[in-house]
Amino acid sequence: GESVGLHLPTLSVQEGDNSIINCAYSNSASDYFIWYKQESGKGPQFIIDIRSNMDKRQGQRVTVLLNKTVKHLSLQIAATQPGDSAVYFCAENTGSGNTGKLIFGQGTTLQVKP
Amino acid sequence: DTGVSQDPRHKITKRGQNVTFRCDPISEHNRLYWYRQTLGQGPEFLTYFQNEAQLEKSRLLSDRFSAERPKGSFSTLEIQRTEQGDSAMYLCASSPGQQQYFGPGTRLTVT
Repeated sequence: GESVGLHLPTLSVQEGDNSIINCAYSNSASDYFIWYKQESGKGPQFIIDIRSNMDKRQGQRVTVLLNKTVKHLSLQIAATQPGDSAVYFCAENTGSGNTGKLIFGQGTTLQVKP
Repeated sequence: DTGVSQDPRHKITKRGQNVTFRCDPISEHNRLYWYRQTLGQGPEFLTYFQNEAQLEKSRLLSDRFSAERPKGSFSTLEIQRTEQGDSAMYLCASSPGQQQYFGPGTRLTVT
């Protein structure tokens, strides 16, 4: 069935280091992917997105990499800060029926040590 | 703040009661989504509106759940005869296309 999964439930990094959060997806028909950040008690906050016709996209301190061959998505955060501590979700749009519904993975908790 | 608002933010209800949640999307967005999120999990899709038309419903949306978007603006999600398993965060998102903007959610606790 359709699913989006993350490799690690928790990632702990030192402040100032780079973070890499990974995600594996199963539906090769997915054409759009998003990374969200969710802080405790809040809704998911958009970080960055990428379409399936791209393999890399950069934002401010964040980069998303898409490897369609192995159905893998990663989020790289440069110079990780305490404010980056949150749960990170990848999500895919399978494109089925073009409703735009997102399928989310279970999330990776990023802990930033000062 | 994404511009999507939800009300109430928290709701505690007794099993068997009905509850209704409201979502006000970003005004120019024609797409509106409801998701449910349980502790430690990612959001799960419940239903989708394009303008006032409800175009997709998940199998998760049992007959106790109903959603409306009467004028293509705000939306309501009603749960009838609540059960303890309905306890979750209910998230609303709006979209002009593919990128979805989420509200803060309504946390429902059924006792």
